[in-house]
Amino acid sequence: ETGVTQSPTHLIKTRGQQVTLRCSSQSGHNTVSWYQQALGQGPQFIFQYYREEENGRGNFPPRFSGLQFPNYSSELNVNALELDDSALYLCASHHPSLGGTGELFFGEGSRLTVL
Amino acid sequence: GQQVMQIPQYQHVQEGEDFTTYCNSSTTLSNIQWYKQRPGGHPVFLIQLVKSGEVKKQKRLTFQFGEAKKNSSLHITATQTTDVGTYFCAGQLLGAGNNRKLIWGLGTSLAVNP
Repeated sequence: ETGVTQSPTHLIKTRGQQVTLRCSSQSGHNTVSWYQQALGQGPQFIFQYYREEENGRGNFPPRFSGLQFPNYSSELNVNALELDDSALYLCASHHPSLGGTGELFFGEGSRLTVL
Repeated sequence: GQQVMQIPQYQHVQEGEDFTTYCNSSTTLSNIQWYKQRPGGHPVFLIQLVKSGEVKKQKRLTFQFGEAKKNSSLHITATQTTDVGTYFCAGQLLGAGNNRKLIWGLGTSLAVNP
């Protein structure tokens, strides 16, 4: 086990609704990255939080937003849900070094279905 | 934009046969990581390669990073049913500010017939 937990594990929403996904990072890791993985695809980087600040973002619209808390846990919020937002949302905690992101420790993911 | 291409998309082998997946980047990478994702599971880190021409082995798995740091491969010798899953490469781009994200390939799904 990675020590990274995500909730909820599964959820169903309808178009236009909003969703909040949660992630608790592995002890000692100050950085959390969020990824979207559509069926049969590789993970797509959404954004990264380091010490409560967003410090890297992929090609996702502003309706994807996040937070990181002082205990390094994190939330991903998605507003105005669209059908294409249906995917597995993965949270990864890590401890970046000068050489890069470092090994990512993934949670089990939250599977979102938008109807 | 920056891309990491991975081939083949699928591979079906008999248990005991070898397997190789290849990863190619359109730009030079700082380093590359490999992950394995079992069906219904989450990606699990396998290894990170940093140096040009680097070769690392983990039991039956051999990882290589190209001299130009644009390509990489994962080779599995004598596959077992426990090797089933999707293998992803994820590259880190050179340059300031690029140390915050990985560019992932689409993965190679491996099926092994017992």
